[in-house]
Amino acid sequence: SQTIHQWPATLVQPVGSPLSLECTVEGTSNPNLYWYRQAAGRGLQLLFYSVGIGQISSEVPQNLSASRPQDRQFILSSKKLLLSDSGFYLCAWSGDRSGRYEQYFGPGTRLTVT
Amino acid sequence: QKEVEQDPGPLSVPEGAIVSLNCTYSNSAFQYFMWYRQYSRKGPELLMYTYSSGNKEDGRFTAQVDKSSKYISLFIRDSQPSDSATYLCAMSATRGSTLGRLYFGRGTQLTVWP
Repeated sequence: SQTIHQWPATLVQPVGSPLSLECTVEGTSNPNLYWYRQAAGRGLQLLFYSVGIGQISSEVPQNLSASRPQDRQFILSSKKLLLSDSGFYLCAWSGDRSGRYEQYFGPGTRLTVT
Repeated sequence: QKEVEQDPGPLSVPEGAIVSLNCTYSNSAFQYFMWYRQYSRKGPELLMYTYSSGNKEDGRFTAQVDKSSKYISLFIRDSQPSDSATYLCAMSATRGSTLGRLYFGRGTQLTVWP
């Protein structure tokens, strides 16, 4: 069965510090991978998605970036965090090879920028 | 107008009640419809998945899709305190640039009290 991992689970970082969040998927190959941010009362915001190694599409952010160095690894980074980067970061995967589009989420990373 | 509208609640019901959760949408290209359950400080978990119009039942949960009205519902029968969570609807199109991307409602917060 497939499993998705995220770490760290919680993180408190000062403004201006760098960020690296990691997501890995087990039990599937060549998944689509997604990064979301969930802020209180604002729903899920899609940040990045990837359909393969080195293929990243950006939806919104200016100071965040994503990379996919391996098939089942997805990394979210920032060089300098802003207060507005605080939130709950979720990684998700989907395997829409047979016309199914459901996504499966990881446990999330709660980031507080102080 | 947002692509997916969902009443955020909160919704509070006694144990044993029938719960009705709803979403409306504007994009007629949506064909795949999902409901996720998210417990506090956890990642969303897929609860129900339906394609096109009709009903789908899984235990105490029933998902309904009315494409003519662009309206989807999730019914929970014999609700339990363990059903207390935020429920998010999500949907996806089968064509065009939105292929594979999920569009989420903001979520409805449900509390079932004993």
